[in-house]
Amino acid sequence: GAVVSQHPSWVICKSGTSVKIECRSLDFQATTMFWYRQFPKQSLMLMATSNEGSKATYEQGVEKDKFLINHASLTLSTLTVTSAHPEDSSFYICSALLADTQYFGPGTRLTVL
Amino acid sequence: QKEVEQNSGPLSVPEGAIASLNCTYSDRGSQSFFWYRQYSGKSPELIMFIYSNGDKEDGRFTAQLNKASQYVSLLIRDSQPSDSATYLCAVAPVGSARQLTFGSGTQLTVLP
Repeated sequence: GAVVSQHPSWVICKSGTSVKIECRSLDFQATTMFWYRQFPKQSLMLMATSNEGSKATYEQGVEKDKFLINHASLTLSTLTVTSAHPEDSSFYICSALLADTQYFGPGTRLTVL
Repeated sequence: QKEVEQNSGPLSVPEGAIASLNCTYSDRGSQSFFWYRQYSGKSPELIMFIYSNGDKEDGRFTAQLNKASQYVSLLIRDSQPSDSATYLCAVAPVGSARQLTFGSGTQLTVLP
């Protein structure tokens, strides 16, 4: 149980384009999901908390107009990186909250050329 | 600022040995403690969580918590090469994983 999927697993895009990443809880409903970013050799950094039916809560320093989060259902949250630039290249990981434990998706590796 | 500190390693142990991973945290209000394992290029996988002082065992893994010392550790008995990964300590307040703060991780290598 507690399986979380992400799509796509990797994406390469040109600078200036937008990329959407999906996070799904497959066997449970998640009112709360989280989005993290991880640069090489570094730990996970929380970007935002996504709550179903309400606006996401962004961490300090994360641009909410650049990283658009939508949590329209209890099993799906999406992160859209708008006008992506090479510095946005990173490993994006979502997690879903179940019974006070976060379960992580497999991650999406974004490369912006 | 809430901080979670881990020895970055790398930590190397021979196969069959006990690997000991340590974590300290600064926020005395922390109530929940998690250990995640992350293989290279993969996302974190939950190993254990612990809420109360003392030891908690799950198979080859034992988590130890000492809130007075603000210290949590993970012991891996009979270490296997497949245990080679980065181990992340994560801390949250008030019995919930809603606000996890991660340490930088300890890279463990188990030598065959």
